[in-house]
Amino acid sequence: GAGVSQSPRYKVAKRGQDVALRCDPISGHVSLFWYQQALGQGPEFLTYFQNEAQLDKSGLPSDRFFAERPEGSVSTLKIQRTQQEDSAVYLCASSLVRGSGGYTFGSGTRLTVV
Amino acid sequence: DAKTTQPPSMDCAEGRAANLPCNHSTISGNEYVYWYRQIHSQGPQYIIHGLKNNETNEMASLIITEDRKSSTLILPHATLRDTAVYYCIVSGGSQGNLIFGKGTKLSVKP
Repeated sequence: GAGVSQSPRYKVAKRGQDVALRCDPISGHVSLFWYQQALGQGPEFLTYFQNEAQLDKSGLPSDRFFAERPEGSVSTLKIQRTQQEDSAVYLCASSLVRGSGGYTFGSGTRLTVV
Repeated sequence: DAKTTQPPSMDCAEGRAANLPCNHSTISGNEYVYWYRQIHSQGPQYIIHGLKNNETNEMASLIITEDRKSSTLILPHATLRDTAVYYCIVSGGSQGNLIFGKGTKLSVKP
């Protein structure tokens, strides 16, 4: 497709449930980022991939958060044992080259933990 | 923490120029200034970026002061669809991570 695609668009999870959020970046884009955006706040960096390598995961808030990009294209962000504070919009972005800064963002997945 | 300071909100009349300021007094020599905007319920959208020269594209103009400690994003003829949160971001280096602050909520009014 022409843009970054994220699915599902909305997800409601019961507290303690595991969830998996998918990101389809623009074809050929090397860099892929995940961000978390709480209500009324700016997006906060979670993790960065260059192709299949996860080069920075310093923003992941706990070991319940795990991201992968096994073939260097599609990426999945997994949250285990979800908590209410995990409720947020999870945004994925991709760019053609590393460090270019001109990222294309998806529309995000809104996760609500009840 | 974000390296930029922006006013939390601004209003602009439809059809007039919107001038959004940003202070980035600690910017280093290899860091760029990026502007993104986020319309409600959408992901951030890239607008423009620059290093030290002024830049213009089909969306906006970016004016960077000579000392690079501040910049202004100019939307020359604001429309209602330009109502959004505008983020000014300083970024550089090998990782290229974008660190977002709270941005400026621009409201364009008829």
